[in-house]
Amino acid sequence: GAVVSQHPSRVICKSGTSVKIECRSLDFQATTMFWYRQFPKQSLMLMATSNEGSKATYEQGVEKDKFLINHASLTLSTLTVTSAHPEDSSFYICSALQPGLLLQFFGPGTRLTVL
Amino acid sequence: ELKVEQNPLFLSMQEGKNYTIYCNYSTTSDRLYWYRQDPGKSLESLFVLLSNGAVKQEGRLMASLDTKARLSTLHITAAVHDLSATYFCAVTGGGGGADGLTFGKGTHLIIQP
Repeated sequence: GAVVSQHPSRVICKSGTSVKIECRSLDFQATTMFWYRQFPKQSLMLMATSNEGSKATYEQGVEKDKFLINHASLTLSTLTVTSAHPEDSSFYICSALQPGLLLQFFGPGTRLTVL
Repeated sequence: ELKVEQNPLFLSMQEGKNYTIYCNYSTTSDRLYWYRQDPGKSLESLFVLLSNGAVKQEGRLMASLDTKARLSTLHITAAVHDLSATYFCAVTGGGGGADGLTFGKGTHLIIQP
C-alpha cells in the first residue's frame, strides 16, 4: 500500500513552546490530508482536514489558532502546535487520501509529550 | 451528529474460538472502514465496505455491511494470538471536510493461548 511518513515520531517539549509535525505522502500526491488526535486508550478524533493550496477545515472545538495547518505541497502537510501545554500531550496521526482510491493511508503517528 | 458505536469495547477470548465485533452508526454514510491498531502503533487498514450486503474476507477476518440497519460486523474465525489488537470501525461523514473519518471507540481484543 501507499506510504505516509511522519516526523518526528516522538517529541518532548516544555510548556509554552511550539512543535511542528510533518506528514508526507511518499509515493503519491495527496490533495487532501487529515490530522487526528488520539489520547491514551481512546479513539481517534478528527481535528482538521488539510487541503493543498487552501485553508484547512477544522472540526468543531479545535482551535485553529492553536493548531496551525499548512499544506504547502501535494506531498506535505504540517501541523504546528503553538504554545503547547500538558493537556496537548497526545498521539497525533495524519492520513492522506490517495486520489481515485477510497482508502486513507495513515502515518505512523507522533507522540507529543508536553512537560 | 454522526455517532459510531462499537461493541464490545473489550473482548478476551481463547484461541480457536469465533467471535463478532459490532459497529453501529447513526446516519447514512458512503463508506465503512475497519482498522487494526497495535499498541503504540498507527492504524493498519483491514477493509473498506461500500455497499449494502458487501462482504470482504482476509484470512481469519470477515467484514460485512448492512446499510439499512447501519450495521457492520467484523467476524473472527478460529482466533489466533496474533490477532490480539484494538480494532476500530470508522465511517466517512460527520466531519467538516470530505472523507474525514468518524471512529468508534475501538474494541480491545485479547486472544489467549
